[in-house]
Amino acid sequence: QSALTQPASVSGSPGQSITISCTGTSSDVGGYNYVSWYQQHPGKAPKLMIYDVIKRPSGVSNRFSGSKSGNTASLTISGLQAEDEADYYCSSYTSSSPLYVFGSGTKVTVL
Amino acid sequence: EVQLVQSGAEVKKPGESLKISCKGSGYTFTSYWIGWVRQMPGEGLEWMGIIYPGDSDTRYSPSFQGQVTISADKSISTAYLQWSSLKASDTAMYYCASMSGSPYYFDSWGQGTLVTVSS
Repeated sequence: QSALTQPASVSGSPGQSITISCTGTSSDVGGYNYVSWYQQHPGKAPKLMIYDVIKRPSGVSNRFSGSKSGNTASLTISGLQAEDEADYYCSSYTSSSPLYVFGSGTKVTVL
Repeated sequence: EVQLVQSGAEVKKPGESLKISCKGSGYTFTSYWIGWVRQMPGEGLEWMGIIYPGDSDTRYSPSFQGQVTISADKSISTAYLQWSSLKASDTAMYYCASMSGSPYYFDSWGQGTLVTVSS
């Protein structure tokens, strides 16, 4: 099972919106509404930002939103802030082993 | 509040054994899956496997099956990740994470345990 495909880097200016894509297959992203997104700052543990494609955990800013179309899921960060600079990983449940797969990761830079 | 507290950093030699731990609190440990994620230096996240502490049902990624053992002691709400013979390529940060909201995502994470394997 290969990692889900994400762009290596995405950048934007403060206040702008950016979107990170996460492309899989019909066996994972396209087949289930079980896509989640994680934010990881340098030297820190990952943090859940989005689950079940579109849902936000309590405490996560509503500037973060998720969506999916076919085999590609997306995370949009609106009103980009300096604190959003981090690595972002998508993940999906998959019908084949190993049950769950992470994306390759995207580094978000706030210009 | 769910908390996962992992054991401290380890420095080991190739061929040595190791068992790291992850203690859960703030939720019913036996009722939710808990898993392990590897992050090699400068690399991304890799799903290693999960365990259901209630009955010790364990699922491994094929990449890690036979290379590590995941276990849990429900009497002390602690999950474990162990190696019988470490290799230099096992050098990485290892995170435990719980699935207390749903078995489809990790909603709480431990702080990570850095394992360094070097001769």
